[in-house]
Amino acid sequence: QVQLVESGGGLVKPGGSLRLSCAASGFTFSDFYMSWIRQAPGKGLEWVSYISTTGQTIYYADSVKGRFTISRDNAKDSLFLQMNSLRAEDTAMYYCARGLIRDHFDYWGQGTLVTVSS
Amino acid sequence: DIQMTQSPSTLSASVGDRVTITCRASQSIGTWLAWYQQIPGKAPKLLIYKASNLESGVPSRFSGSGSGTEFTLTISSLQPDDFATYYCQQYNNYSPTWTFGQGTKVEIK
Repeated sequence: QVQLVESGGGLVKPGGSLRLSCAASGFTFSDFYMSWIRQAPGKGLEWVSYISTTGQTIYYADSVKGRFTISRDNAKDSLFLQMNSLRAEDTAMYYCARGLIRDHFDYWGQGTLVTVSS
Repeated sequence: DIQMTQSPSTLSASVGDRVTITCRASQSIGTWLAWYQQIPGKAPKLLIYKASNLESGVPSRFSGSGSGTEFTLTISSLQPDDFATYYCQQYNNYSPTWTFGQGTKVEIK
């Protein structure tokens, strides 16, 4: 069955860095677009970043541009999010999500929690 | 940036009720609109894509309609598993971004 398992979250101080990972299984990873989407505690959903099937096309939300870097390793069925210069407002549950068609996300992982606090 | 506004923010309903949630876009998005259901503590689940296409495995009591700037999600007969928060999401093909509405919480009356 389809599985997306995020890891790498935790508590980090403002200005610090974290690298999130998303391990995919149960489907042909290289066929799917991938995105990171976050949800601050008690808040709604915010798209963070997108990467195409080959990794050649990448987009970021303005709120993270220049600080976050998305990447993927199709040989290892894995998605990554390098987060630098973290701020308190980056505190959220981070989900990885896939899409066969670019406009929507048909399966989401269970998320990894990132807390930015001194 | 395209903004998505859902109404109502909270909805109280009973099992068996017909429920309608509205999502409005700040500019026309064609039919690039999806709906998700999120149960507390769980990841969102896709219900509808391209405004009116039911995702495989989703019960037929869920339906979506609309185009341009106004969209609706309808649950024809509310079931106990349907008490959750629902989000709409648009895709802007011209300046690729994905934006969610603020959510509609469906509560037990």
